[in-house]
Amino acid sequence: NAGVTQTPKFQVLKTGQSMTLQCAQDMNHNSMYWYRQDPGMGLRLIYYSASEGTTDKGEVPNGYNVSRLNKREFSLRLESAAPSQTSVYFCASSADRGQYFGPGTRLTVL
Amino acid sequence: LAKTTQPISMDSYEGQEVNITCSHNNIATNDYITWYQQFPSQGPRFIIQGYKTKVTNEVASLFIPADRKSSTLSLPRVSLSDTAVYYCLVGETGGYNKLIFGAGTRLAVHP
Repeated sequence: NAGVTQTPKFQVLKTGQSMTLQCAQDMNHNSMYWYRQDPGMGLRLIYYSASEGTTDKGEVPNGYNVSRLNKREFSLRLESAAPSQTSVYFCASSADRGQYFGPGTRLTVL
Repeated sequence: LAKTTQPISMDSYEGQEVNITCSHNNIATNDYITWYQQFPSQGPRFIIQGYKTKVTNEVASLFIPADRKSSTLSLPRVSLSDTAVYYCLVGETGGYNKLIFGAGTRLAVHP
C-alpha cells in the first residue's frame, strides 16, 4: 500500500495563478482532509470530507475549494493564489484510529 | 472540540525517559486522546490513542487519569531520532474525526 500520496511535491506560483493539489489514498478510508502548515506552527484544517460526496469547511477555508472525486481522491484548488497561501499542504485520511498523512506539497506564491 | 495545552519545548538526552503532559480540561465524554509525531518536512505520524487509564504500544505509553483532564505521553529510552514535534489532540473518533492541532511540543534529544 502506498498510503496517502500527494502531487506535486513542490510548486511555485505567481500571484493570481490557479492550481489544483491532488491527493489519493489506497486504504479505503471514508474521511479525508486538507491541512496547511505555516513555519513553526501546527496544522490548520482547510476542508474535510467525512464521506464520498460530502465536503465541509474547516478552520481556514477562504481562498480554497475542494472536490471529493471518489472515495480515493480529494483535491484542493486555489483559484487565485495569494502570497498568504504560501505554506506546506498536507492531505490526510482516517478510519477508526487516527489520521494518516501524506508527504505534503510545499507551495510558494510570489 | 476540546482545546489542549502542552509545553512548547523540552530537552532530553539519549537513553532517558521523556514524559510530555497535555492538559485538556474541557474533554467531552466521547473524546479520545491521540498523539502524533512530526519530523521536519514530513506529515504527522500517529503514535498512540487512548480513552482512559493506560495504553501501551511498541513505541510509547499513554497515561490518562480518571478525570481525563490531562494525559501524559511517555517515550522510553529516547534516541536522537526521537527529536520531533509531538502533538496532543482530543476529539471523537470512529471513522470521522475533525481534529484541531495546536503548536505541539518540540522535543530535542541530545547526545
